Amino acid sequence: SQQGEEDPQALSIQEGENATMNCSYKTSINNLQWYRQNSGRGLVHLILIRSNEREKHSGRLRVTLDTSKKSSSLLITASRAADTASYFCATMIQGAQKLVFGQGTRLTINP
Amino acid sequence: GAGVSQSPRYKVAKRGQDVALRCDPISGHVSLFWYQQALGQGPEFLTYFQNEAQLDKSGLPSDRFFAERPEGSVSTLKIQRTQQEDSAVYLCASRPGVHTDTQYFGPGTRLTVL
Repeated sequence: SQQGEEDPQALSIQEGENATMNCSYKTSINNLQWYRQNSGRGLVHLILIRSNEREKHSGRLRVTLDTSKKSSSLLITASRAADTASYFCATMIQGAQKLVFGQGTRLTINP
Repeated sequence: GAGVSQSPRYKVAKRGQDVALRCDPISGHVSLFWYQQALGQGPEFLTYFQNEAQLDKSGLPSDRFFAERPEGSVSTLKIQRTQQEDSAVYLCASRPGVHTDTQYFGPGTRLTVL
């Protein structure tokens, strides 16, 4: 069973707008990671935030982590058509090596 | 350098057939993972290798699923007597070492069981 719940399940916005996706999880974690998956392709790692970090930036990506609420958000600024993909949060649970994925958010950027 | 590769990319099997899915990790990567991704869902963990040792197989759904990595590089996921519910994309991922957290994923093998 999957640990994470992602919200929304689907998001459609205009090019240039910002996109925000949220992820909640259930157990204590070492870190939380966000991955992107284009249709029919493998997952691409976007960004990792550790449990002792609250915010992290990478290019147009901004990730926040609230361990008290067991939640994270991914913000993509100035969206582009190429950002159209499914986005997954994945947690690395304390004491384990595997990643536990959420169900994903399907993001569509309209030109 | 080359990323993680998987073969075949697509596999169609009749129910009851055995299948073997191959993963070539990034050269030198110690850790290797297999995940199963059903349509419209996130990947779910199947099993984990550190070098040739299978350290976690808690995600394998039944004893029909078997994975090996005999020389600590290439890995094979075998599914015996396939059933329709086995239809999914099987993803392989590798990472350099135990203390690195980012996993690098292959393109996956889409298995369809008829």
